[in-house]
Amino acid sequence: DGGITQSPKYLFRKEGQNVTLSCEQNLNHDAMYWYRQDPGQGLRLIYYSQIVNDFQKGDIAEGYSVSREKKESFPLTVTSAQKNPTAFYLCASKRAGSSYNEQFFGPGTRLTVL
Amino acid sequence: AQRVTQPEKLLSVFKGAPVELKCNYSYSGSPELFWYVQYSRQRLQLLLRHISRESIKGFTADLNKGETSFHLKKPFAQEEDSAMYYCALIITQGGSEKLVFGKGTKLTVNP
Repeated sequence: DGGITQSPKYLFRKEGQNVTLSCEQNLNHDAMYWYRQDPGQGLRLIYYSQIVNDFQKGDIAEGYSVSREKKESFPLTVTSAQKNPTAFYLCASKRAGSSYNEQFFGPGTRLTVL
Repeated sequence: AQRVTQPEKLLSVFKGAPVELKCNYSYSGSPELFWYVQYSRQRLQLLLRHISRESIKGFTADLNKGETSFHLKKPFAQEEDSAMYYCALIITQGGSEKLVFGKGTKLTVNP
């Protein structure tokens, strides 16, 4: 699989620490997204970005921050303010233009807070 | 409120039996709907989109605006169809768009 990558695959964090999850894509997609996947909750949108240097809060942005300095990169920081950060995090990207374009997903990062 | 509802968390059928995964939506605009699938140890991927009116891996889904539904159907389930299925709706707000997902249905096809 190429296209969109996430690292690391597994991440462990102590309470009170910030941690940054990486998401990179070489698909030349303008839009990028971060989701959180919890059992029984489906996917919930954290942040998204339609173009470089611009991003919007999703439905559950509290305790998270992002940046979009480059088109191919959209890192997510999980801060100590996030009350329940243990989850599976998915990054996605999409070609701009038609809303019918599919989102392509990365393999995910599993974050565990110890 | 804009939301997607998948009423069944788990669905179990036998191989060769018909399967229907339910999806209902609530949206004031013109709906654009998708089904995504996540097989074990694989990435989430698009299965089909309503605008294409296509059949993928034997699955079809018809948008019913009267019933606000987009159910996923397959006449004869196969063991390899076992996966997590998510229904998703495009929401457009202030010039930007995002996907809203249902909570998913885990389909198990038994031999």
